[in-house]
Amino acid sequence: SFDLTQPPSVSVSPGQTASIACSGDVLGAKYASWYQHKPGQSPVLVIYQNYRRPSGIPERFSGSHSGNTATLTISGTQAMDEADYYCQAWDSTSTVLFGGGTKLTVL
Amino acid sequence: QVQLQESGPGLVKPSETLSLTCTVSGGSISGYYWSWIRQPPGKGLEWIGYIFYSGSTHYKPSLKNRVTISGDMSKNRFSLKLSSATAADTAVYYCARTIAVAGTFAFDFWGQGTLVTVSA
Repeated sequence: SFDLTQPPSVSVSPGQTASIACSGDVLGAKYASWYQHKPGQSPVLVIYQNYRRPSGIPERFSGSHSGNTATLTISGTQAMDEADYYCQAWDSTSTVLFGGGTKLTVL
Repeated sequence: QVQLQESGPGLVKPSETLSLTCTVSGGSISGYYWSWIRQPPGKGLEWIGYIFYSGSTHYKPSLKNRVTISGDMSKNRFSLKLSSATAADTAVYYCARTIAVAGTFAFDFWGQGTLVTVSA
């Protein structure tokens, strides 16, 4: 089990909006980060501090947060966005937590 | 652009110690945390622990008894040792730069990853 809960899979049609939720008690007090992970590649940070985008990340990636849930939203989803997405936070003991990951399929 | 490169044996025997080194280039180790993260085959990401450039460390509680992360900051590198390895430690191991500011803890630069298999 994971302290951060994500849906195992999400499907979206090209051009539509995909949303991936991440829930956990720690998110009530800590920021969430999100990573895109494609097979054979290293994970890429796409959102940190709930909603900030690192340099070079397309604007179609956005993050939000409410209560104990953080959400990654991909607007105008493209085929290249198909990947596993992981949320991440840290708890009060400075231990890093990852969600179980969500496989995004662009149909 | 910061680059990280993992190095070490790709095959470790059960009960032996898994050892990896991460070499950082294109930037200084100073001022940052540096982490090890792994991904077992078919599973998700698992944080192992981090070292601050000053030398302080913090480990995942369930691995704490077997993990040591150390640093050679003068050579811009840090290392992972995981003792008493078992097949469950078979994974792709990543090193990553870790930013910790204003309540955020995130991994902004990653190495390419290295597969370590624990098998006789």
